[in-house]
Amino acid sequence: AQTVTQSQPEMSVQEAETVTLSCTYDTSENNYYLFWYKQPPSRQMILVIRQEAYKQQNATENRFSVNFQKAAKSFSLKISDSQLGDTAMYFCAFTNTGNQFYFGTGTSLTVIP
Amino acid sequence: NAGVTQTPKFRILKIGQSMTLQCTQDMNHNYMYWYRQDPGMGLKLIYYSVGAGITDKGEVPNGYNVSRSTTEDFPLRLELAAPSQTSVYFCASSYRAERYSNQPQHFGDGTRLSIL
Repeated sequence: AQTVTQSQPEMSVQEAETVTLSCTYDTSENNYYLFWYKQPPSRQMILVIRQEAYKQQNATENRFSVNFQKAAKSFSLKISDSQLGDTAMYFCAFTNTGNQFYFGTGTSLTVIP
Repeated sequence: NAGVTQTPKFRILKIGQSMTLQCTQDMNHNYMYWYRQDPGMGLKLIYYSVGAGITDKGEVPNGYNVSRSTTEDFPLRLELAAPSQTSVYFCASSYRAERYSNQPQHFGDGTRLSIL
């Protein structure tokens, strides 16, 4: 069975600083995909970044980047130059070539002015 | 482009009542999903559909039913509402084919449902 674990229920960071959110997953598959979603207080689920397991290069989207360690089954999200608008719940998600997505329990990030 | 549209946004039900949460998408996605999100928790899959006429159970299907008569619509039905079904419900869709399994899910804005 696929599982996704986010071990940090809450985190905080000073504005303009860098923060890293952790995610680990368990799978026996070799080909799969990983995502980070952001859920602000408005409750919308917004895709932040995605990573294909067959790509060794870490994905980057502006201030957001990942550290993908396939052997360790780790997929952390780094947010640089944190902004107040980054305050949200962040969910790590996994899907393989099957039919389902699996989500972690989320990390609540607060950016402090 | 509307994306994934859920209605209603809020609803209060009495125990034992029934209702249907509507979900429609205009992106021609083949896959659609229903999740529930309890306070402080992640998303749990209730049902999903890989195409019109095909549905399958997720992690927490008890107390719910779905249908997928068209590609666009994927309603979720609660037959006998119970307090344990108080939650926020999200509908999502994605395009999945062998070469495109990396496509993310697109979410609706959610329905906040309270059972009293």
